[in-house]
Amino acid sequence: RKEVEQDPGPFNVPEGATVAFNCTYSNSASQSFFWYRQDCRKEPKLLMSVYSSGNEDGRFTAQLNRASQYISLLIRDSKLSDSATYLCVVTHSGGYNKLIFGAGTRLAVHP
Amino acid sequence: EAGVAQSPRYKIIEKRQSVAFWCNPISGHATLYWYQQILGQGPKLLIQFQNNGVVDDSQLPKDRFSAERLKGVDSTLKIQPAKLEDSAVYLCASSPLRRGSSYEQYFGPGTRLTVT
Repeated sequence: RKEVEQDPGPFNVPEGATVAFNCTYSNSASQSFFWYRQDCRKEPKLLMSVYSSGNEDGRFTAQLNRASQYISLLIRDSKLSDSATYLCVVTHSGGYNKLIFGAGTRLAVHP
Repeated sequence: EAGVAQSPRYKIIEKRQSVAFWCNPISGHATLYWYQQILGQGPKLLIQFQNNGVVDDSQLPKDRFSAERLKGVDSTLKIQPAKLEDSAVYLCASSPLRRGSSYEQYFGPGTRLTVT
């Protein structure tokens, strides 16, 4: 079983739609959680951190459920520029900032 | 601020040949990472340096892969000999170091390796 599991998609949605991505992780010792964005043939870039209290950045909302070991990302009012792969990422305790990536969920926003 | 630099951007080699990749992290970042990203998968950590010491190389295939970070700045990753399954994008990342906390990792553009 992979340590971080995501639905690979692709999610094909029209502009303006709301789309949600889910992610589960298997290691209960996971400490920090992130969503990274990766455009086609580009490097991953941090989109946002995920906190137990939930956090919002404009059209993006991330939530964490530690009891269920579940992370989500909600994108409202999708734009064409949101088309990318969204990578769910966790780190372990231990202090060395090792990132464990999921395989990513691909989003395609169409006009 | 200059980002993480990597070279070459693309490399095509035949199996059993050797190849080396170079990375220059963001100035002042103590921690440097090499990841392998196979098509359709997320990046997988190969090796992590803190300054010029290795803190994690548990997923590095040491029979063929080697890496070094002399003087705690630039780093090279070498594959010798290459196999077909090594075809992937090799990403270098760097971050400032703070033990016990997670800081954003900044990725370079990657080197796309094709082994034929």
